[in-house]
Amino acid sequence: DTAVSQTPKYLVTQMGNDKSIKCEQNLGHDTMYWYKQDSKKFLKIMFSYNNKELIINETVPNRFSPKSPDKAHLNLHINSLELGDSAVYFCASSQDPGRSYEQYFGPGTRLTVT
Amino acid sequence: ELKVEQNPLFLSMQEGKNYTIYCNYSTTSDRLYWYRQDPGKSLESLFVLLSNGAVKQEGRLMASLDTKARLSTLHITAAVHDLSATYFCAVDIINMNRDDKIIFGKGTRLHILP
Repeated sequence: DTAVSQTPKYLVTQMGNDKSIKCEQNLGHDTMYWYKQDSKKFLKIMFSYNNKELIINETVPNRFSPKSPDKAHLNLHINSLELGDSAVYFCASSQDPGRSYEQYFGPGTRLTVT
Repeated sequence: ELKVEQNPLFLSMQEGKNYTIYCNYSTTSDRLYWYRQDPGKSLESLFVLLSNGAVKQEGRLMASLDTKARLSTLHITAAVHDLSATYFCAVDIINMNRDDKIIFGKGTRLHILP
C-alpha cells in the first residue's frame, strides 16, 4: 500500500563505487522527482521526469544519472561516489505539474560515503 | 532566480502559545506548499495554496497566501508538543515549457516545550 517507495533505505559505500537507488510510485502520477537533503536539512531538487521524459535537470554532477523505465519508476544511478554525496535522497511524485498538485515523498535513502 | 526564505529557521516555544512562521519568495508565483518533516522521516504535505488570499486550516495549523506580497504564513494556535517538527514551504513556478520548478525554503525547526 506504500504510495512512494524507495530502496534501499540505507546505503553505506566507499568512495569511487557506483550505486543505484530505486523508486516506485503506485499513485498513477505523471511526474516523479529526485531531491537531495544535506546534513543541514536543505532540500534541493535534482531531477524531474514527466511521463518518462526529463523535465528538470538541475546543476548536479553528471555522475548522477536518472533513468525512468516507465512513469511509475524513477531510478537514480550514481557513478564514482564522493564524500560530498553523503545525504538523504528523496524520491517524490505528483500529478501533472500543470495542475499544481502537491508532491508525495518516499521514505528517503540515507547514503553514506566513506 | 527564485529565492524562498523562511523565518525563523529555529523556533522554541511553550505549549499553549501562538506563533507564526513566514515564507517569503522573490518571483511571481501563485502556488505554494507547506510540508512537515519529523526527525529521520520523510516529508508530509500539509497545505496546498493555489491562489491569492487562499487560507487553509487543519487542526491547530492555518496557512495563508498573499501573492501580491509574495508571502505565506503558517500560524500555530495553542501549540502542543506533537507539532514539534521541521516545516518547509515550497514555491512552484510553471512556465510555458512545462518545466515545473519547485524551490524549497530552508525549513523552520519547531521545538515545542511541554
